[in-house]
Amino acid sequence: EPEVTQTPSHQVTQMGQEVILRCVPISNHLYFYWYRQILGQKVEFLVSFYNNEISEKSEIFDDQFSVERPDGSNFTLKIRSTKLEDSAMYFCASAGESAGTQYFGPGTRLLVL
Amino acid sequence: GENVEQHPSTLSVQEGDSAVIKCTYSDSASNYFPWYKQELGKRPQLIIDIRSNVGEKKDQRIAVTLNKTAKHFSLHITETQPEDSAVYFCAADISSGSARQLTFGSGTQLTVLP
Repeated sequence: EPEVTQTPSHQVTQMGQEVILRCVPISNHLYFYWYRQILGQKVEFLVSFYNNEISEKSEIFDDQFSVERPDGSNFTLKIRSTKLEDSAMYFCASAGESAGTQYFGPGTRLLVL
Repeated sequence: GENVEQHPSTLSVQEGDSAVIKCTYSDSASNYFPWYKQELGKRPQLIIDIRSNVGEKKDQRIAVTLNKTAKHFSLHITETQPEDSAVYFCAADISSGSARQLTFGSGTQLTVLP
């Protein structure tokens, strides 16, 4: 069964540094999402992406965040200047249609020091 | 925006007993309600979902009920097994037409005692 994959599984960075988190959605999916989960807390929506543009974004997704689909397979989340409070697990998800089930990747655990 | 409340935060049951987790949502326009199971350190996995045009859905030992009038929905697990132990998240969504935006509850840590 196809799955969403994410790299790296863990990322440690210094405050102020840029990080790029990578996701490979399920191949025939068209809708892409990023969520984050701070340790021990609930999953929070960051952004949705369709047809090469952002569909929705939350208050968390400020100017420090950006998303991109640079080619036909990858979907990336960039944090320009990381803050301590960006430390969290970041999940990518994809869906085959707008109303379809979202399938989550295994996550990237980001630690900002 | 949408707000989802989930109860209880922790739930312990004996193996073989039933478990019920409840969620309420605030936006009457929400039309899709998935439930995800998350084992420690792993990705959330969809276990069942329900759309607003039905009141109940069942898949083997798992069922979900939806009361649109009261704006609440519940997960029922029967004949619980130790492998059901995990954190369960409910979610609600208003489809914007171009993509979904899931709002999650705070999670329920279910422990099934052998």
